Amino acid sequence: AQTVTQSQPEMSVQEAETVTLSCTYDTSENNYYLFWYKQPPSRQMILVIRQEAYKQQNATENRFSVNFQKAAKSFSLKISDSQLGDTAMYFCAFWPRFGAGTRLTVKP
Amino acid sequence: DGGITQSPKYLFRKEGQNVTLSCEQNLNHDAMYWYRQDPGQGLRLIYYSQIVNDFQKGDIAEGYSVSREKKESFPLTVTSAQKNPTAFYLCASSIATSARGDTQYFGPGTRLTVL
Repeated sequence: AQTVTQSQPEMSVQEAETVTLSCTYDTSENNYYLFWYKQPPSRQMILVIRQEAYKQQNATENRFSVNFQKAAKSFSLKISDSQLGDTAMYFCAFWPRFGAGTRLTVKP
Repeated sequence: DGGITQSPKYLFRKEGQNVTLSCEQNLNHDAMYWYRQDPGQGLRLIYYSQIVNDFQKGDIAEGYSVSREKKESFPLTVTSAQKNPTAFYLCASSIATSARGDTQYFGPGTRLTVL
């Protein structure tokens, strides 16, 4: 079964700066999907970004982008121009597995 | 507005009692899911259902039961057999083209505390 590892329990960034959250995974499959979900203090999870493994192009959603390295089994999330509203827990997911999460704090 | 509702937001249970958590969605999604979230851990899948009247166990199904009699509803019962039920429970749904590839939409969660 696949595993998902997030090695950064907590991170902080200054407002307007860029931060990268790490995620590695293990699988023997060739075609699969990876996700980043955000859980703000309200605790309602929402999708940040989704990546299809067979697509070479890294997914992008506005200020959020991924660096997907299939051979290295790495799926990091880059947040540009960080905003206070980005403060949240971020979970990397390879269904049905979720990483333990990274708590990101954006400081004013 | 379309979405997923979970009730109640907070639930207290005495040891030895069964308790049922509600999850309803009006997104017309075929698939629904239940997860458990503990501090310092990611979400762990309890049960999921991709179609009415059918469901599958996830990684931590022991001590839990579900039913899927209607497309919109997927209640979770935490039984007295669940040894450590105090946790935050999240319900989600997806279109169900593929559980592995679908974006999941989450409810606001229920915090269950065993007294």
